[in-house]
Amino acid sequence: SQKIEQNSEALNIQEGKTATLTCNYTNYSPAYLQWYRQDPGRGPVFLLLIRENEKEKRKERLKVTFDTTLKQSLFHITASQPADSATYLCALDNTGKLIFGQGTTLQVKP
Amino acid sequence: GAVVSQHPSRVICKSGTSVKIECRSLDFQATTMFWYRQFPKQSLMLMATSNEGSKATYEQGVEKDKFLINHASLTLSTLTVTSAHPEDSSFYICSARDGRGRQETQYFGPGTRLLVL
Repeated sequence: SQKIEQNSEALNIQEGKTATLTCNYTNYSPAYLQWYRQDPGRGPVFLLLIRENEKEKRKERLKVTFDTTLKQSLFHITASQPADSATYLCALDNTGKLIFGQGTTLQVKP
Repeated sequence: GAVVSQHPSRVICKSGTSVKIECRSLDFQATTMFWYRQFPKQSLMLMATSNEGSKATYEQGVEKDKFLINHASLTLSTLTVTSAHPEDSSFYICSARDGRGRQETQYFGPGTRLLVL
């Protein structure tokens, strides 16, 4: 069956450290994968998109990798700040529709 | 950047009534809009895809007669939850694709919290 899983429901780290979130999928062949940030009671906000032929993408303190052999994407936030605390969702393309993971809630402690 | 609004942001209604939620793209034309539902601590689940001027395409398990979608213009899509029941209480989120830009990117609205008593 098709599945998309984010490694943990919650992740707590200390301010200044790098947060690494994992997204694994099975039985999909996505043309691209996206990461979103969602704050409580709000809609998701687009962060980064990475295509199947790209290994890595960066945007300021964010970095995303995409390994189509492992069927995995890693999302890194370097020099994390308390303001980065939120739920992060991965979403993969499935013939034009987005399929979302369940999200990982990141808590950055000062 | 592209902005999508939703109205209302929250609504409380009695069981059996119908509720309409609006989704607007404010600064771009959206050829395609999507409606999602999100239960607490769960992921977004796609309910339907709506294209301007044509009938919506519903995902498996979503009742089209219960969740009426109208995409009458390039900037407005509406979702009507008909004869709402407590189990329909959820967070409803729309998204839109900019017809001119990258087709992969969806811009999400802020969501509508529905509580059916």
